[in-house]
Amino acid sequence: EAGVAQSPRYKIIEKRQSVAFWCNPISGHATLYWYQQILGQGPKLLIQFQNNGVVDDSQLPKDRFSAERLKGVDSTLKIQPAKLEDSAVYLCASSLEPSGQVKFFGPGTRLTVL
Amino acid sequence: AQTVTQSQPEMSVQEAETVTLSCTYDTSENNYYLFWYKQPPSRQMILVIRQEAYKQQNATENRFSVNFQKAAKSFSLKISDSQLGDTAMYFCASLGADAGGTSYGKLTFGQGTILTVHP
Repeated sequence: EAGVAQSPRYKIIEKRQSVAFWCNPISGHATLYWYQQILGQGPKLLIQFQNNGVVDDSQLPKDRFSAERLKGVDSTLKIQPAKLEDSAVYLCASSLEPSGQVKFFGPGTRLTVL
Repeated sequence: AQTVTQSQPEMSVQEAETVTLSCTYDTSENNYYLFWYKQPPSRQMILVIRQEAYKQQNATENRFSVNFQKAAKSFSLKISDSQLGDTAMYFCASLGADAGGTSYGKLTFGQGTILTVHP
């Protein structure tokens, strides 16, 4: 069984630039999550999708962050414009059910904002 | 609301020995799940073990076991016969659940404990 795929693995940008991350969940997993993991902290949920609908985006900074999952499969997370404090690892995860019990995480995208 | 606290930023253990990682939590939920996740240096997070609050018996997965003290809101992870591959960041996490055991809401993670296993 293929795992959760993410790209790119690393990204370095200047502040105020834009960046996008891509995630392909495990086949058949209806629920997809994006987490932000700042160095030295645990992951924080940014947004949860059930198929192509948003279940929870209460911690997504909507003035600069956006995410979509148009066909209910893969997803993109965008930051525009980036700030220094956005430097973090962005983890994508998926699960069969929308219960919030995450079992499968992707390798993450490490973002550095200079 | 839930909070999860891991008070040990770093731990180390010799190969083949036993180590215990600590976690305390606070929740207003009557039922909930508790988890330990492992994040090796490659960054792919893996679920290690899961415990449902209403189950009295401590969960066990091979060399990994938990000591769940509900009254004290403590959920420690014991790793027996430590192996070099156990070197990783370990996160404790919690998630609310209804009386039937169906979980809901979002995972709340602790700050993590870096475990290093020495040969």
